[in-house]
Amino acid sequence: GAVVSQHPSWVICKSGTSVKIECRSLDFQATTMFWYRQFPKQSLMLMATSNEGSKATYEQGVEKDKFLINHASLTLSTLTVTSAHPEDSSFYICSASVNSGNTIYFGEGSWLTVV
Amino acid sequence: QQQVKQSPQSLIVQKGGISIINCAYENTAFDYFPWYQQFPGKGPALLIAIRPDVSEKKEGRFTISFNKSAKQFSLHIMDSQPGDSATYFCAARANTGNQFYFGTGTSLTVIP
Repeated sequence: GAVVSQHPSWVICKSGTSVKIECRSLDFQATTMFWYRQFPKQSLMLMATSNEGSKATYEQGVEKDKFLINHASLTLSTLTVTSAHPEDSSFYICSASVNSGNTIYFGEGSWLTVV
Repeated sequence: QQQVKQSPQSLIVQKGGISIINCAYENTAFDYFPWYQQFPGKGPALLIAIRPDVSEKKEGRFTISFNKSAKQFSLHIMDSQPGDSATYFCAARANTGNQFYFGTGTSLTVIP
């Protein structure tokens, strides 16, 4: 299957700082990427849909100014958690859509811990 | 509103047994139904997927059964192994867009 790479796998940051998570499609071009948040033992919560070259579409309740998404190329989308707080600590996962949405493949996820 | 309802929440199966996870949906615009397997601390991995024009798809020990009229689909894991212990998510995608809707997940434990 297609490969989606996420970096970093885990990150610890201080409260009030910003942290960037990268999502790359390694062997295909992804016009659409998705960002999810997952709490322990819970399902995936879609945060936003990222379309290359345009603004991301955020789900209801997700602060677009706090979770900045940039999809500048067909192989890279970034999620920046700005002014992070401990409640932002979570597992963040990206996925990328292949062939205009036939299926999606997930990255390995990024653990964010805000201290 | 949960677009895709998944059950059970957790499942314990003896090694060699059959694991069955069920999902149901209401939106008739859904046209693609994948299943994902997720191990702790990892991203979900695509396991198997089906489209509504077939009633069953089998890949190795994994089978999807699809009932279009009942708007239900299920994952069957034959000869379940301890290595199958993971969380399984069903999903559905509408033919009107790219968004996927996920079930709430089933935590499967296969005991030796």
